[in-house]
Amino acid sequence: EVQLVESGGGLVKPGGSLRLSCAASGFTFSSYSMNWVRQAPGKGLEWVSSISSSSSYIYYADSVKGRFTISRDNAKNSLYLQMNSLRAEDTAVYYCARDSLRPGGAYYYYYMDVWGKGTTVTVSS
Amino acid sequence: DIQMTQSPSSLSASVGDRVTITCRASQSISSYLNWYQQKPGKAPKLLIYAASSLQSGVPSRFSGSGSGTDFTLTISSLQPEDFATYYCQQSYSTLSYTFGQGTKLEIK
Repeated sequence: EVQLVESGGGLVKPGGSLRLSCAASGFTFSSYSMNWVRQAPGKGLEWVSSISSSSSYIYYADSVKGRFTISRDNAKNSLYLQMNSLRAEDTAVYYCARDSLRPGGAYYYYYMDVWGKGTTVTVSS
Repeated sequence: DIQMTQSPSSLSASVGDRVTITCRASQSISSYLNWYQQKPGKAPKLLIYAASSLQSGVPSRFSGSGSGTDFTLTISSLQPEDFATYYCQQSYSTLSYTFGQGTKLEIK
């Protein structure tokens, strides 16, 4: 069964750090780009960061650039998000999601077809 | 960044109704548009990718259309399990994906 399982969430004080993990199983993890997407309480989805299959390409939302670091270990089938200098507005459920693709047009069509159940991060004093 | 705007933000409908949700991009994104469904307390689920391609396992009452800046998600005959929040997402700019703000579909 294709599965993503997040862990590492919790309560942290403003300015603190937290490292999220996402364990992948049931597919060839090293062949896929991966994403972190978050959802603040009662709010919509916000893309946070992406990393290509070999870690060659890494992108961040402006809201987390310079504070969060995405990484992966293909040998361990794991995705990570190191979160530093946390703020109250980082409080959210954090999902990891697989990026699949299909050739089309001038580029590839990318879509997030597998999602974990999420891990909750609360930033509060 | 490409902005995605959905309308309406919320919608009341009855079982059996035909429902359409609209998503507009701030610039042309060709057909690089995906739709997701999210139920309370659950992870999002992919419904439609590349604007009109139905994800495997998704009922055929769901369909997507559009290209350029204007897109629609249509549910041909609402079922009780379809009451949820729906999000569009552009994948034209892989440097920065963006989601619409969501459309909450409620029971009338």
